[in-house]
Order: sequence, then C-alpha cells, then structure tokens
Amino acid sequence: TQLLEQSPQFLSIQEGENLTVYCNSSSVFSSLQWYRQEPGEGPVLLVTVVTGGEVKKLKRLTFQFGDARKDSSLHITAAQPGDTGLYLCAGGGNFNKFYFGSGTKLNVKP
Amino acid sequence: GAGVSQSPRYKVAKRGQDVALRCDPISGHVSLFWYQQALGQGPEFLTYFQNEAQLDKSGLPSDRFFAERPEGSVSTLKIQRTQQEDSAVYLCASSPKARGQSNIQYFGAGTRLSVL
Repeated sequence: TQLLEQSPQFLSIQEGENLTVYCNSSSVFSSLQWYRQEPGEGPVLLVTVVTGGEVKKLKRLTFQFGDARKDSSLHITAAQPGDTGLYLCAGGGNFNKFYFGSGTKLNVKP
Repeated sequence: GAGVSQSPRYKVAKRGQDVALRCDPISGHVSLFWYQQALGQGPEFLTYFQNEAQLDKSGLPSDRFFAERPEGSVSTLKIQRTQQEDSAVYLCASSPKARGQSNIQYFGAGTRLSVL
C-alpha cells in the first residue's frame, strides 16, 4: 500500500505539448520531493518543497506544494523527448522517512 | 566512481536459494537506505542505517530479510529462502547526514532480482 496516489499512471504526448502530473494523499507531509527515474537506473531528485503553497521552477518544470501539504503537482511546459521517464513523488514524514507514490510514466514522442 | 554502486546488477535465483545484494554508498555518507521496487510501482522503504547502526527496519517484509552495515560503509541485504514474490528491483540510497537532518538521497541503479 502506498500513501501517495499519482495520476495519471501513464501519459504519452507529442513533443511541444504541456502536461501536469498530480500527487495526492490524505496525509500531511513535512516535505515533498519529485524524482525522475529512467529505465535501469535509480531515481534522481529533481526538487524538494517544504512550505504549503510553495512553487519552485526548474527550467521548464514547475512544482507546487498544496496549501495543506497533502498534495503536489508537476507541470512541464513544451515537453521534449528527453523528459521521458518515470516521475515519482515522495512525501516526507517523521525523521524524513519518505513514502513514494506509484509513479507516472511519461513518454514524449518526437 | 563518485556515485552509489550496487552489485550485482541482475540476479536470478531459484526459489529457496539465499541471495546477498551489495551496496557501496558515496564515501563519507552517514545514512544508508534500502528500498524494494516492484514492477510498475514506486520504491518502498525497507530499512535505514545511520553509520553502522540499523535504526529502522520497519519495512522489512519478513524475517527472511536481513541487512547489515558492519563498518558504517558497505551494506549487504540478504534474503534467505527466496520466494517468487521477492522478485523486484532493490535500490540502495545514501545521504550525507542523519535522516532527520537531511532529505537528500542519492540512489544507486539497483539490483534486479528474479526468483524462478
């Protein structure tokens, strides 16, 4: 069982399109992280958000932490084939113990 | 190398066989984590070490799973009498500080275990 639900599970889009991935929970987290994982590799940290309502930008990626610190979204503008991968959110609880969502598998077609 | 190294990358075991998976964390990192990632799922926490001390083993699914980090560096995850449901990718991550002080984890590429 996983505390965090991610949607959609799969997303296949054309290069240049915009997309949003959601991460939802009924639990409150002290922080929330987003990772990208490529086949045969471990997850790589993209961002950590800690304050309710916080918005962080990383080039074409925009991350938002919900006001109540229960949910988060990742928006990608003008997606590129290099964005293809599994996007994972992870919620931090006590002592920074992290709980991962099941992931969103993104495929960006050239 | 500078990253977290795991070996072997792939392991095929017959049901009932014992296996040992190795993790070489980034040098000097205090914290070490093991996760299990089933196909199509996110990683699930197994156990946590701060230096050589195993402070949290709440995620280990059964007493067939055992982990150690005797000198506070390399860690081994051992699975005894493997079963088909143990098939998964086992990820190791390390962090420069204690778990309550840092939220940055660097992951290895994982060991893919297939139990036949």
